[in-house]
Amino acid sequence: EPEVTQTPSHQVTQMGQEVILRCVPISNHLYFYWYRQILGQKVEFLVSFYNNEISEKSEIFDDQFSVERPDGSNFTLKIRSTKLEDSAMYFCASSEARSKGRYGNQPQHFGDGTRLSIL
Amino acid sequence: DAKTTQPPSMDCAEGRAANLPCNHSTISGNEYVYWYRQIHSQGPQYIIHGLKNNETNEMASLIITEDRKSSTLILPHATLRDTAVYYCIGADSGSARQLTFGSGTQLTVLP
Repeated sequence: EPEVTQTPSHQVTQMGQEVILRCVPISNHLYFYWYRQILGQKVEFLVSFYNNEISEKSEIFDDQFSVERPDGSNFTLKIRSTKLEDSAMYFCASSEARSKGRYGNQPQHFGDGTRLSIL
Repeated sequence: DAKTTQPPSMDCAEGRAANLPCNHSTISGNEYVYWYRQIHSQGPQYIIHGLKNNETNEMASLIITEDRKSSTLILPHATLRDTAVYYCIGADSGSARQLTFGSGTQLTVLP
C-alpha cells in the first residue's frame, strides 16, 4: 500500500539554525499538509498546500515557517531560525483532491514523522 | 469543526470487540466523522469515516446514530497491535480541511 515517507526520522539542530524537513507524499495525491506534536501534547495543524500555494495555515505557522514543493515528488517544511519550542514531532500528510460522492473529502494519510530536537 | 468528546481511556480483552464511543452533539450537516489512531511514536493512521450511514472496511466498523450526535468505532476482534490512542474528528467535506485532533481515547488491549 502506498505511504507517505518522511526524512530524516530524527533531526538535531542548534537553536537559531535553519532546518528543512522533507516528505514524499503518496504519488497521486494533490493536497499536502504539515502537523506537529509537541511531546505529550495534541497533534496540531500547521498548514495545507494545494496547487503550489498555501490553502490554510494555523496561528502556529508564522513567518519563520515556509513550505515548498520543489519538484514533482517532494514537499518540504522549512523553519528559518529554530527556537527551543520548535522541538516536536512533525508529521506530513497527503490526500487526494477530489471528493467521492457520499464519502466526502478524501482522508489524509500521514507519514511517521520527523522528530526535531532543538538544542 | 465539531467539538468531539471521548473517554480518556478504555481496556479491551484480546480477541473481543472494542467499542469506542464519541460524542459530537454540535456536528453540522456537512461534517463527516473521521477516526484515526496513533500507535506510540508513529503518525496518525486513518481508520474510517462516514456522514450518516454506518460504514465498514477491513479495519473497523463505524456506527453513527440517527441524530448524528454520537458514533461508535468498533474493532471486531481486537489484537495487542490495536493498542493506540484513537481520535474521533468532525470535519466538513471542503477541500484541504485541517484536522483538529483532541486528546482521544487510549485503548489498551489486554492479553
